[in-house]
Order: sequence, then structure tokens, then C-alpha cells
Amino acid sequence: DGGITQSPKYLFRKEGQNVTLSCEQNLNHDAMYWYRQDPGQGLRLIYYSQIVNDFQKGDIAEGYSVSREKKESFPLTVTSAQKNPTAFYLCASSIPGQGNNEQFFGPGTRLTVL
Amino acid sequence: QKEVEQNSGPLSVPEGAIASLNCTYSDRGSQSFFWYRQYSGKSPELIMFIYSNGDKEDGRFTAQLNKASQYVSLLIRDSQPSDSATYLCAVKAGGSYIPTFGRGTSLIVHP
Repeated sequence: DGGITQSPKYLFRKEGQNVTLSCEQNLNHDAMYWYRQDPGQGLRLIYYSQIVNDFQKGDIAEGYSVSREKKESFPLTVTSAQKNPTAFYLCASSIPGQGNNEQFFGPGTRLTVL
Repeated sequence: QKEVEQNSGPLSVPEGAIASLNCTYSDRGSQSFFWYRQYSGKSPELIMFIYSNGDKEDGRFTAQLNKASQYVSLLIRDSQPSDSATYLCAVKAGGSYIPTFGRGTSLIVHP
């Protein structure tokens, strides 16, 4: 089955720690995205990548970092510089382009800072 | 700044009624419009997309687009309790492949 996987499902972080969220897709999509969702809020774009070895900052990139070494993988690191990281993190992928290409979402990772 | 506005709700409708969810957007150059459904604690899933003015129907769902008024809506006929979720509107501006999401409208369908 094609799809997007995210791990872990739940993640707890102590203040001052960096943590990495995994995102893998086997849909053969070139474009991948990371969003953050807070309660009662829409999706806010953190980073996106149109192609391997290239990525761009979204609206709220401060305190986060990414890499795109493989087409299938787009891990997100939440660094200690992110002051309020407790949120629901969603990874998505799509065929890149300006048309009606929908985004497919992974199941999400819920990060809690202790 | 591209903006997508949705009433946060909750919108409460009785089972069997028509639920009407609305979304307005600021960028007149917007080309593609998406409706996602998100159950509590889950990730969004696409219900419909629309890019031409008028109506698009898929089963119990109808998307309506009016570019002149910068307005897109989602109608759910014969609403079921299983339709209770948050509905996110997403809009792609012309020249962009990154959609902008609204905050979502919470729908509650009560028996």
C-alpha cells in the first residue's frame, strides 16, 4: 500500500533537547512538506521541499531544521531554539506543481514538552 | 499576505439535515480550492477539490465556487453523525503550489 508514515506517534521532549520526527513516503512524490497544528488552529507551514537536496523555509521555520537526502524521506528536527514546540506535527507529500495536485498527509506526531 | 477565512464554529446540525460550510479567501488570483476533513486527533483527508466556478458534486458532498465573490463552500447533504469533524479549506494562489489553509470549521451532527 502506498502512503506516508510518521514516527513516533507520540513524543515527549525535555526542555533543551533536540528531537527528530521521521517522515517516509512511498508515493513517489517529489514534493514534501512539514506543518504544525495547534489546538483550534489551521495548518502552518514549517518547511517544504520540491526535490531531493533542496528545501525552503515556510512561514514558521525558526527553531526547526530539515534535510532531504532521499526522495522518500524528509525528517524534521525540533531544536532547543523552538520556544513552544508542543503541537501536532503533520508531514505531507504531493506531486509538485500549480495545479490541482492534492497533498497526502501522514498520521501525525504529537510532540509534548515536559 | 494570503488569507483564508473560515468560521470556527461549532456548526451543529441534526442528522439528515444539510450542513453548509463556508470559506472566503483574499487572493483574487487563486486557482485551486480544496476541502479536507479532519477527525479529532487524526490527519486531514481530502474530500473534494474544485477549480471552476459553479458546483461540483461527489455523493453527498457538493463544493461551490464563486471566484467573483472569492467564496467557496461545501454542502453535506443527509448529514450523519460520522460527518462530525473539522473541515479545512485550502486555497492555492495562482503561481503557487503551496496551499494556504484556513483554521477549519468544527461540524457536529447530532442524532
